[in-house]
Amino acid sequence: DAGVTQSPTHLIKTRGQQVTLRCSPKSGHDTVSWYQQALGQGPQFIFQYYEEEERQRGNFPDRFSGHQFPNYSSELNVNALLLGDSALYLCASSLTGGATKNIQYFGAGTRLSVL
Amino acid sequence: RKEVEQDPGPFNVPEGATVAFNCTYSNSASQSFFWYRQDCRKEPKLLMSVYSSGNEDGRFTAQLNRASQYISLLIRDSKLSDSATYLCVVTPNNNDMRFGAGTRLTVKP
Repeated sequence: DAGVTQSPTHLIKTRGQQVTLRCSPKSGHDTVSWYQQALGQGPQFIFQYYEEEERQRGNFPDRFSGHQFPNYSSELNVNALLLGDSALYLCASSLTGGATKNIQYFGAGTRLSVL
Repeated sequence: RKEVEQDPGPFNVPEGATVAFNCTYSNSASQSFFWYRQDCRKEPKLLMSVYSSGNEDGRFTAQLNRASQYISLLIRDSKLSDSATYLCVVTPNNNDMRFGAGTRLTVKP
């Protein structure tokens, strides 16, 4: 049973560039959430996708966008990268309405460095 | 005020010690509560859910006080392998999770 997988594991970009991160949810899960974790901080909620739509969004600018595909996998896109976007980006999957009460399971993350 | 606040730590304890972490949350309508554990440069992993009645899993005991908006985690008989950052998590609805900044625990021989 594959867990949550994310790609790439590491990424280096320069200011102003655009980046796309990818996530495949745990088998049987239909909901994907994205988080940003800066060094020494807890993860901060970016948004959540369910049924291919953004269901909930945290306090992040429109430069952060996403998509969910029919197979439940998801992408996070960040445009016009800033130095402050350097962080670990975590994807978490869950099953909406399941017996596990929306418990989220995390992938290993993508570490993004913006130079 | 932050949505989820935790003891700043770090906690440095000897093996076998008992250690307690506290957490408070601001949204009284929060529905679910969890403790996650995060090892250095790894992803958060679910340690345990937290219920109003309190719950125990081996050496770990979690408590929730909805009236005080307070969550706790007690670790008994600490092991070296318990060294990690412990994240308090609150869900204001059924969708997103709100994390505290984490409390770092180091268990020493």
